[in-house]
Amino acid sequence: GAVVSQHPSRVICKSGTSVKIECRSLDFQATTMFWYRQFPKQSLMLMATSNEGSKATYEQGVEKDKFLINHASLTLSTLTVTSAHPEDSSFYICSATRQGARITEAFFGQGTRLTVV
Amino acid sequence: DAKTTQPTSMDCAEGRAANLPCNHSTISGNEYVYWYRQIHSQGPQYIIHGLKNNETNEMASLIITEDRKSSTLILPHATLRDTAVYYCIVRAVYNQGGKLIFGQGTELSVKP
Repeated sequence: GAVVSQHPSRVICKSGTSVKIECRSLDFQATTMFWYRQFPKQSLMLMATSNEGSKATYEQGVEKDKFLINHASLTLSTLTVTSAHPEDSSFYICSATRQGARITEAFFGQGTRLTVV
Repeated sequence: DAKTTQPTSMDCAEGRAANLPCNHSTISGNEYVYWYRQIHSQGPQYIIHGLKNNETNEMASLIITEDRKSSTLILPHATLRDTAVYYCIVRAVYNQGGKLIFGQGTELSVKP
């Protein structure tokens, strides 16, 4: 199956700093990538839709100035958590859909565990 | 996309079949049923999807009722590694480029 890789898998940062998470589709071109956040014991919550070459679309309640998304190529999207605070500590997961696929199937990265101290 | 309802948790004995139900009574004609699972602290993994016919692959079987209002995911011989949260998601195939809205899922515990 298709491979989506996230980096880093774990990160600890100080409150007030920014953290960048990368999501790469390794063996296919991804028209669209999605970013999710998951708190302990909860389901995945969609944060935003990232389209190559255009602005991301954010879900209601997600601050676009705090969670910066860049999708500069068909294989890479980045999520930057700016001015991180302890409440931003969470499991962040990306997914990518294959360009040109007849049936769109989402492939997920392994997730990034962010801890803000 | 139609809403789905799943039991919060289920147990299954190792080696036995695990049958995970999903209710999607408001499903419309152009919506597929997708199943994903998430093993603890990992990203979700695609299992199977179907429209109206039963489907089988190397991981599981998907049984969709004739009226399409419910479905069952079957893991024929559950192993300890199948312990995970299983998500049933209904989505129109050509809508929104693969966006998936996750419900709470079913936490399956496979016990020795």
